[in-house]
Amino acid sequence: DQQVKQNSPSLSVQEGRISILNCDYTNSMFDYFLWYKKYPAEGPTFLISISSIKDKNEDGRFTVFLNKSAKHLSLHIVPSQPGDSAVYFCAASVDMGRRALTFGSGTRLQVQP
Amino acid sequence: ETGVTQSPTHLIKTRGQQVTLRCSSQSGHNTVSWYQQALGQGPQFIFQYYREEENGRGNFPPRFSGLQFPNYSSELNVNALELDDSALYLCASSLESFQETQYFGPGTRLLVL
Repeated sequence: DQQVKQNSPSLSVQEGRISILNCDYTNSMFDYFLWYKKYPAEGPTFLISISSIKDKNEDGRFTVFLNKSAKHLSLHIVPSQPGDSAVYFCAASVDMGRRALTFGSGTRLQVQP
Repeated sequence: ETGVTQSPTHLIKTRGQQVTLRCSSQSGHNTVSWYQQALGQGPQFIFQYYREEENGRGNFPPRFSGLQFPNYSSELNVNALELDDSALYLCASSLESFQETQYFGPGTRLLVL
């Protein structure tokens, strides 16, 4: 029973364009959502988060959008850079981020120069 | 300030054996979580330790056990290894279990033959 789903295993984007990574969830108890980036041979690195009381959070080139009614969130990277090439994981938590994370299966982003 | 470190980096065991994986948490962090990441999947929560006590457990059998020491470092023990235990084991430390402060180590890759 996958409570957090990332249906696109991979995404390829040209440098300078927008990258949009999508994530769906089924558990309505989730109230905190995070995106992690993972390079090979490294652990996941926290990128950006959003709580369920917001619908958008921005941090530089990264913006996360949350649509609670659709149980959907997305990560936008603008403009995309070759260094953004990595695996991106969506994760969700309850109790405003104070409980264990439930991860999606990841999307591999390739940014072409 | 040192990051999260894990040892060993790689390990090969045979079915039925026992294994101990180690994690040193980020300086100042008092919470350690362990995750199992199978190939092509996202990390799955095993359990969390907060101030030397288990503080939440995922859907893993009792042969997965752990410890947290007074210096907040941690061990993950797996008994009676099965082939499906082959995975990347990630340790993450955080302050007061708040996920946004969570830093992951590079992981230990375990292969069970």
